[in-house]
Amino acid sequence: AQSVAQPEDQVNVAEGNPLTVKCTYSVSGNPYLFWYVQYPNRGLQFLLKYITGDNLVKGSYGFEAEFNKSQTSFHLKKPSALVSDSALYFCAVRDLRGGGADGLTFGKGTHLIIQP
Amino acid sequence: DTAVSQTPKYLVTQMGNDKSIKCEQNLGHDTMYWYKQDSKKFLKIMFSYNNKELIINETVPNRFSPKSPDKAHLNLHINSLELGDSAVYFCASSQGQRDQPQHFGDGTRLSIL
Repeated sequence: AQSVAQPEDQVNVAEGNPLTVKCTYSVSGNPYLFWYVQYPNRGLQFLLKYITGDNLVKGSYGFEAEFNKSQTSFHLKKPSALVSDSALYFCAVRDLRGGGADGLTFGKGTHLIIQP
Repeated sequence: DTAVSQTPKYLVTQMGNDKSIKCEQNLGHDTMYWYKQDSKKFLKIMFSYNNKELIINETVPNRFSPKSPDKAHLNLHINSLELGDSAVYFCASSQGQRDQPQHFGDGTRLSIL
C-alpha cells in the first residue's frame, strides 16, 4: 500500500527566509505527487504536482518542490516566506487502483507558521 | 463562479438522524470524490465516481451512500448518524486522468450532538 509521511507537525520560519516543508512517499511504480494548501475553514487548494520530467517543479504563489527518487522525497520550498503563507500544507500521492478516478493518499499535514 | 460547491456548509444534528450533503461542480469534470477530514485534520478518501459510476468505495460503513444523478453532482447521504461521524466532509472533482489535480469544495462541517 502506498503512503506519505510528513515528519514535521509544524514548521516555523521568519518572514523573508526560505522555507522547506518535508514529504517522503512510498509507492510501487512511478509516483504521481501533489502538494495542497488548506487555509482555515476552506477546502484544499492545489499548489503543484510532479508526474514526470524535471525534478524541480514550480507551482502557485512562488512555491516549488524538488522530487528526489533515490530519497523518495518531494519537499516543498519557497525562497522567501510571506506571513500569508501561514497555513496547513498537505503532500499527497495519487492512488493507482481506480484508473483515472483514483483518490489521493494524504500525509498528515504540516502547519507552516511564518513569523513577521 | 465557485468551481466545486457544497451545501450545507455547517450541519448540526442529533445522533440517529439521517442527513444529506450536496455537491456540484461546474468545471466539466467527469470524476468526483468524497473525502473525510477528522478532528486531527487527517484526510481520507471515501468514494470516487467516474461518469456517474462508483469506482472507489473505501472501508466506509453502509450508512454512507453516495449518489450521482449526473456528472456534475455527487451527493452523500448518511443514515443513523453516530458521534464518530463528526468531521469535515470534502467534495472534489477532477478530469479523469491521474496527472490531473483534484479541485476541492470548502467542506461541510458535520457535528453530531
